[in-house]
Amino acid sequence: AQKITQTQPGMFVQEKEAVTLDCTYDTSDPSYGLFWYKQPSSGEMIFLIYQGSYDQQNATEGRYSLNFQKARKSANLVISASQLGDSAMYFCAMREGFYGNQFYFGTGTSLTVIP
Amino acid sequence: DTGVSQNPRHKITKRGQNVTFRCDPISEHNRLYWYRQTLGQGPEFLTYFQNEAQLEKSRLLSDRFSAERPKGSFSTLEIQRTEQGDSAMYLCASSVTGSNQPQHFGDGTRLSIL
Repeated sequence: AQKITQTQPGMFVQEKEAVTLDCTYDTSDPSYGLFWYKQPSSGEMIFLIYQGSYDQQNATEGRYSLNFQKARKSANLVISASQLGDSAMYFCAMREGFYGNQFYFGTGTSLTVIP
Repeated sequence: DTGVSQNPRHKITKRGQNVTFRCDPISEHNRLYWYRQTLGQGPEFLTYFQNEAQLEKSRLLSDRFSAERPKGSFSTLEIQRTEQGDSAMYLCASSVTGSNQPQHFGDGTRLSIL
């Protein structure tokens, strides 16, 4: 079974609108961390936001927020007030276990912001 | 903080040749990771170092692949007898210890096998 599933290969959003990128995960370990990364066409992976499995509140970082629904094993990324520079691939990743060494990445979602 | 540095940025080689990539992590980071990323896919874990110790290797890492981190600083990834299927972007990432610590990635080395 896939550890991380991203079901939206491509998404479009109007500039200044909000968009939600879906991510579901699969683990039986009670301790895990969830990460979102952005990969522009230039190729570098940029860390956006982190959510720990024991965190009581949803994580927020500027225009990024994480809609964490533990029972549903989902960790959706919400980008508010989209900008043209947000056009990129977005990857959801999970670290399993408190001392987990591996990061498991999804297949990504390509986001295009339309002016 | 100069970020994670990878060299070379691009490597073109003939099938059957050996190639070696280098990764210089962020200086205070004790953890170092290698990933492979093919077009349209997310990064696939290859191997992980804590300081100089290689603690984990993926089943994806065939015996043609070897990685080292001799003094717990920079790391090298060598691929022997390259095959067409080795064509990919090879990403290096580093982090400090801590379950909430993200990995910081380099720009990658793009390998093309002729």
